[in-house]
Amino acid sequence: GNSVTQMEGPVTLSEEAFLTINCTYTATGYPSLFWYVQYPGEGLQLLLKATKADDKGSNKGFEATYRKETTSFHLEKGSVQVSDSAVYFCALRDFSGGYNKLIFGAGTRLAVHP
Amino acid sequence: GAVVSQHPSWVICKSGTSVKIECRSLDFQATTMFWYRQFPKQSLMLMATSNEGSKATYEQGVEKDKFLINHASLTLSTLTVTSAHPEDSSFYICSAPLTGQENSPLHFGNGTRLTVT
Repeated sequence: GNSVTQMEGPVTLSEEAFLTINCTYTATGYPSLFWYVQYPGEGLQLLLKATKADDKGSNKGFEATYRKETTSFHLEKGSVQVSDSAVYFCALRDFSGGYNKLIFGAGTRLAVHP
Repeated sequence: GAVVSQHPSWVICKSGTSVKIECRSLDFQATTMFWYRQFPKQSLMLMATSNEGSKATYEQGVEKDKFLINHASLTLSTLTVTSAHPEDSSFYICSAPLTGQENSPLHFGNGTRLTVT
């Protein structure tokens, strides 16, 4: 079935460092891909999305490109801030079974230090 | 601002009691809502899909009689954890797509942390 695999955390970086969080997926068809962020004690917020191959989603300095040839959707940011500390979830939208649902990766915890 | 409101944000209950969690869509109608469960430091697992006007669709391994879902109106879905036990302690999150925009990203509530003592 469809699945999402994320790199294991935690990821610990210094402020202004470059961030990459790897995400690969397995899916039939052409799923939409998402990155969600969860701050401590809160629900999930959509960070960015891409709906077709070669699309690049971007928001708040974060970027991810939908790579169908490598079935990947890696999250990157050129210069992280302490406020970026959170858990990041990669997800794909599964339209099978007649209704749509999100399938999440395990999440990657990011800790940014001053 | 938030488009999905979840209540309560946290609840502590005694073993054997039932707890109801509400999920409301704000300023839009949600014919479908999704209920997720998240264990500490783990990912979100879809429990069930709540459908307005019909029965909920449960994922494999989720007990229907334990996790009762009622989609009472186009803006409200409730999850009731019946006869709660300590192993039911978890973070429960609901979500909904904007109606008419089923390809849009899901909007999530802020979650409910349930602790069963």
